[in-house]
Amino acid sequence: DAKTTQPPSMDCAEGRAANLPCNHSTISGNEYVYWYRQIHSQGPQYIIHGLKNNETNEMASLIITEDRKSSTLILPHATLRDTAVYYCIVRVGRDNYGQNFVFGPGTRLSVLP
Amino acid sequence: DADVTQTPRNRITKTGKRIMLECSQTKGHDRMYWYRQDPGLGLRLIYYSFDVKDINKGEISDGYSVSRQAQAKFSLSLESAIPNQTALYFCATSGRQGLETQYFGPGTRLLVL
Repeated sequence: DAKTTQPPSMDCAEGRAANLPCNHSTISGNEYVYWYRQIHSQGPQYIIHGLKNNETNEMASLIITEDRKSSTLILPHATLRDTAVYYCIVRVGRDNYGQNFVFGPGTRLSVLP
Repeated sequence: DADVTQTPRNRITKTGKRIMLECSQTKGHDRMYWYRQDPGLGLRLIYYSFDVKDINKGEISDGYSVSRQAQAKFSLSLESAIPNQTALYFCATSGRQGLETQYFGPGTRLLVL
């Protein structure tokens, strides 16, 4: 079972920031938060991951609350090409035999012109 | 991601037929995975392999078998296809070290009539 809860869908205006929330209230101390996205029926694409500190890369920012029970993926200037299903996943990051990524239904983000 | 390729990309077959889906990767990764995705749902893990001699069942392995012919190749077989195996199938790879971000292939769309 997925250890995360995400809203099923969200809309965002083109050029605005898209803020995608994720609840992971049962996260363990050694579990990371990963974000992937899937555009149409393509293979999922890695976006970003973090443990407890906020993270930023060329694609997005990840904000993790201090208690680590929730996080937000931020796409700072959403474009039409960011329309996709976004998956929030928690799992142990290091070599961990038997624990794999569990993809729940995710959030379908629609970026509107 | 061109580093992970899947063949065929689309396949139509009949109930009872044997079919093989192939995955190749040039990323030099040890770990390979097979997932299936049904419309509107997340990905579910079928089988995974941590190296050539290590193959493990995932969440939904019944009706499927796999073969890890080499580090770079991981094949999924449906011995006797049935209609409810109609789905989108993804192969993924990850490295042994670090945080094991997964890299996905483009997918194979399978229709079983």
